[in-house]
Amino acid sequence: EPEVTQTPSHQVTQMGQEVILRCVPISNHLYFYWYRQILGQKVEFLVSFYNNEISEKSEIFDDQFSVERPDGSNFTLKIRSTKLEDSAMYFCASQFQETQYFGPGTRLLVL
Amino acid sequence: QKEVEQNSGPLSVPEGAIASLNCTYSDRGSQSFFWYRQYSGKSPELIMFIYSNGDKEDGRFTAQLNKASQYVSLLIRDSQPSDSATYLCAVRTPSGAGSYQLTFGKGTKLSVIP
Repeated sequence: EPEVTQTPSHQVTQMGQEVILRCVPISNHLYFYWYRQILGQKVEFLVSFYNNEISEKSEIFDDQFSVERPDGSNFTLKIRSTKLEDSAMYFCASQFQETQYFGPGTRLLVL
Repeated sequence: QKEVEQNSGPLSVPEGAIASLNCTYSDRGSQSFFWYRQYSGKSPELIMFIYSNGDKEDGRFTAQLNKASQYVSLLIRDSQPSDSATYLCAVRTPSGAGSYQLTFGKGTKLSVIP
């Protein structure tokens, strides 16, 4: 059964550094998302992406964040200058009809 | 501000019993309602969704929706220890061009005691 994949599974970085989180959505899906979950908190929407552009973004998704689909398979989330409060689990999801399917997540730790 | 509220639990039930998980939401324009299961340190895994008032059954799981009361629930029959997880209620809010946001509750932690 096809699934969403994400790399890396864990990332440790220093405050102020740039990180790129990668996702490979399920191949026939058209809508892609990033969510994050701070430890012990709820899953929060960051951004939706369709037809090579952002459909909607939340207040969390400020100028430090960007998304890109650089080729036909990868979908990336870049955090330009990481802050301590960016430490969280980041989930990519892709959508088919009514359902969003989540990848396994990248655990980001900013020191 | 769209809110989804769940009792954080923990909810403990004996093996074989029915577990009942509840969720309320604030946005009357919400269209579809999803239940995800999340094991510790893992990603949300879809159990089922519902968009019409009433009940929807899928195996041991039944989702119930009451839009007038802005209430959605999940019943798990014949609970198993492997059902022990955090159950996330999520509400669909339309975005643009066919995409949609999910607004999640904080989840209810279920513990099924053997």
